Amino acid sequence: SQQGEEDPQALSIQEGENATMNCSYKTSINNLQWYRQNSGRGLVHLILIRSNEREKHSGRLRVTLDTSKKSSSLLITASRAADTASYFCATDEGDYKLSFGAGTTVTVRA
Amino acid sequence: EPEVTQTPSHQVTQMGQEVILRCVPISNHLYFYWYRQILGQKVEFLVSFYNNEISEKSEIFDDQFSVERPDGSNFTLKIRSTKLEDSAMYFCASSPAGDTQYFGPGTRLTVL
Repeated sequence: SQQGEEDPQALSIQEGENATMNCSYKTSINNLQWYRQNSGRGLVHLILIRSNEREKHSGRLRVTLDTSKKSSSLLITASRAADTASYFCATDEGDYKLSFGAGTTVTVRA
Repeated sequence: EPEVTQTPSHQVTQMGQEVILRCVPISNHLYFYWYRQILGQKVEFLVSFYNNEISEKSEIFDDQFSVERPDGSNFTLKIRSTKLEDSAMYFCASSPAGDTQYFGPGTRLTVL
């Protein structure tokens, strides 16, 4: 089955800067979800964007979806040290499962 | 806010032993899932469960694995005869309608 693939693999930014990461996938999807994982911890759901949506916001998060390019981006604005984590995109093809990418590791420097 | 809970947080077992990982999904959710994450690797889907039966399972979910919802609140994953390569973090997730999935904190399984 297809999986989302994130880019870049790692990102280091200064507190207050924006962080952008991208996700590409291969086939049709019902929705795409972004998750955060702090080191050794569980996955925290951030946002879901459906295949008929192009952009969605939640607090400091902005997600875009381009189904023609089979890609999504996650923007975190005004980053904080607490945003340091790994971020994963996960695609839902409508077959009762999520397919995860390898993730982007974000480090926010104080 | 309701959360998915998992027990134990860490399980150590000998190769060949049976283990049962337990999850309590969010109470009004209808869809349940198990995933695993081997250290340093991607999160991998194992199985989904809806209406008291398996909806989908991956190639990883072979005859050594089984799931059960024994009492309407718990959702368990059993591994009958553990192998070294089963060492991983196992995540349970639940969903109200099969879209947004909410994950538990995970059980770290170490097979010696």
